[in-house]
Amino acid sequence: GENVEQHPSTLSVQEGDSAVIKCTYSDSASNYFPWYKQELGKGPQLIIDIRSNVGEKKDQRIAVTLNKTAKHFSLHITETQPEDSAVYFCAASSFDSWGKLQFGAGTQVVVTP
Amino acid sequence: ETGVTQSPTHLIKTRGQQVTLRCSSQSGHNTVSWYQQALGQGPQFIFQYYREEENGRGNFPPRFSGLQFPNYSSELNVNALELDDSALYLCASSFMSDTQYFGPGTRLTVL
Repeated sequence: GENVEQHPSTLSVQEGDSAVIKCTYSDSASNYFPWYKQELGKGPQLIIDIRSNVGEKKDQRIAVTLNKTAKHFSLHITETQPEDSAVYFCAASSFDSWGKLQFGAGTQVVVTP
Repeated sequence: ETGVTQSPTHLIKTRGQQVTLRCSSQSGHNTVSWYQQALGQGPQFIFQYYREEENGRGNFPPRFSGLQFPNYSSELNVNALELDDSALYLCASSFMSDTQYFGPGTRLTVL
């Protein structure tokens, strides 16, 4: 089955700096890669996703890149703000198991003013 | 606001008891997935329901069972509770897509 590894487990950045979180996956059939943000006491919130036919996607300060050959994808947050502090999860699923997301272990991001 | 709601918010049970958790999917969504999130870990897929049928299951024992109703709402039932069942249980809904939206979760504590 699919295995998703996520690094780093914790990330501390100064406000205004960029943050990068990296994930690798094992199943070459995986074709959907969402990123979720989870604040304390809340459920995961979808912030951006990318499909295997696209190499990069941007939404304001957030971007995701995908390297299918290397089986890794990354989340980039620019101009970080204190409200970006949260746990971020990457996930993956494949066409024949769509909806059954395999999550990484999460990255605790702390943005200090 | 995702529109997915879950009840109850918190629940405390003792070992051996049974529990039922409930989920209302986002309007227009016909697929519901359940996940278990232990403290400090990523969510783990339990199972998915589509058109009132189980449509895939993760590595969870049969004492984890579910239902989906005609209005697409869903229940997760756990029998013979164990201490390791203590976790945040998340429901996610989608419509004919792998894009899932999560609810706030139910925090289950087993004593």
